[in-house]
Amino acid sequence: EVQLLESGGGLVQPGGSLRLSCAASGFTFSTYVMTWVRQAPGKGLEWVSAISSSGGSTYYADSVKGRFTISRDNSKNTLYLQMVSLTAEDTAVYYCAKDGVYFHTEPHYFDYWGQGTLVTVSS
Amino acid sequence: DIVMTQSPDSLAVSLGERATINCKSSQSVLYSSNNKNYLTWYQQKPGQPPKVLIYWASTRESGVPDRFSGSGSGTDFTLTISSLQAEDVAVYYCQQYYSTPITFGQGTRLEIK
Repeated sequence: EVQLLESGGGLVQPGGSLRLSCAASGFTFSTYVMTWVRQAPGKGLEWVSAISSSGGSTYYADSVKGRFTISRDNSKNTLYLQMVSLTAEDTAVYYCAKDGVYFHTEPHYFDYWGQGTLVTVSS
Repeated sequence: DIVMTQSPDSLAVSLGERATINCKSSQSVLYSSNNKNYLTWYQQKPGQPPKVLIYWASTRESGVPDRFSGSGSGTDFTLTISSLQAEDVAVYYCQQYYSTPITFGQGTRLEIK
């Protein structure tokens, strides 16, 4: 059974930093693109970032480019999102998601999602 | 960036009736080399993550009831629920994966009339 478990969310002050983790199990983690998607309270879905199966290619939304860094450790089956210079606009539930296409370099659709971790940026 | 626009924003349909949600992309998401539309549909219920229903515009995900179907090509797509059930109350999103940044529609809220 595929499981994705996010952690690392919480309350952080504007300008602060946070690192999210997503522990994956139930599939061969190293063979799938992984993605972060966020959802502000009461709002729609916003794609944040993706990383290829090897970690060699990364992709970012303009809204987070230069502030967020996606990475993965295939030996630990874990996906990360390092977030710096956080603002109130970054307040959201952050989901990690598994790509639906095997062994590709670019994101496609997402066939499994974690339950999400809430990041609140407020003073 | 490819802009995805859904219509309507909200929809109320009687139980057993057909529900239709539209999604329009600002440019074609049909990849000519493989003739596939890079378009997917998700269902999101309150307090839950999204669940994939349809991918490649018309391929139903395993385990999804066959009352859900996807159609369309190029820039215009439709999600149809042939006979609405109470458990289908949710927000529905389309998403393109033709190019990064990946973009979602704004969502369509489906309710029971």
